[in-house]
Amino acid sequence: AQTVTQSQPEMSVQEAETVTLSCTYDTSENNYYLFWYKQPPSRQMILVIRQEAYKQQNATENRFSVNFQKAAKSFSLKISDSQLGDTAMYFCAFADNYGQNFVFGPGTRLSVLP
Amino acid sequence: EAGVTQSPTHLIKTRGQQATLRCSPISGHTSVYWYQQALGLGLQFLLWYDEGEERNRGNFPPRFSGRQFPNYSSELNVNALELEDSALYLCASSSGTFSSGNTIYFGEGSWLTVV
Repeated sequence: AQTVTQSQPEMSVQEAETVTLSCTYDTSENNYYLFWYKQPPSRQMILVIRQEAYKQQNATENRFSVNFQKAAKSFSLKISDSQLGDTAMYFCAFADNYGQNFVFGPGTRLSVLP
Repeated sequence: EAGVTQSPTHLIKTRGQQATLRCSPISGHTSVYWYQQALGLGLQFLLWYDEGEERNRGNFPPRFSGRQFPNYSSELNVNALELEDSALYLCASSSGTFSSGNTIYFGEGSWLTVV
C-alpha cells in the first residue's frame, strides 16, 4: 500500500520569505501523480499544485513550486514570497493513475507571521 | 459550474444511532471519494466509488458503508455511532484517470458530532 509521510507537523515563516515543506512517499508503481492541497481554517480543501511522475520538469504555479526527486521518492513544496493568506494546513497526496489509491500525508501546519 | 456539494453541513447524533451523509459530485464526474478527518488530524480514506461500484475501501469497520447512485451522487452511512466517529467527513469527486490533468475536487464537508 502507498504511504505518504510529512515529517514537519508545524512550521512558521515570516511574511515575504520562502519556506519549503517536505513530503516523502512509498510506492512500487512507476506511473503516479503527486499533489499538494491546502486547507485553510475554513476547512475547504484547495489544490495547490500537481506533478506527474513521468515528467522530469518540476511543476510551478505562481509562487508555488515543487522539487520532485523520483528516485528518492521526495516531493517538497516551496512557497516563495509568503503571504498571510498562505496560513493553512498543507497536505501532500499520492494517486495512482486509476484513482484506486488517493492517499494523503498527515499534514504540515504552516503559519505565516506578519 | 457547481462544485461538489455535501449535506447536511452539521449533524448531531446520539451514540448508537445511524448517520447518513450525502454528496453530489461535479457534473460529469463519475468517481466519488469519502474521507474522515477527525479534529486536528489528517484525512483518512474511507471509500471510493466509480461508475456506481465500490472500487476501494479504507481500513474502517463494516459499519461504515455507502453507495453511489445512477446519477453518481453518493451517500455515506455510519451505523452504531461511536463517540470517536465525531469528525469532518469530506467528499471529493473526479472524472476519469489522472493522466488528462485531473485531480479530485472536494466539497466543504459534513460535520458529524456524536454525543
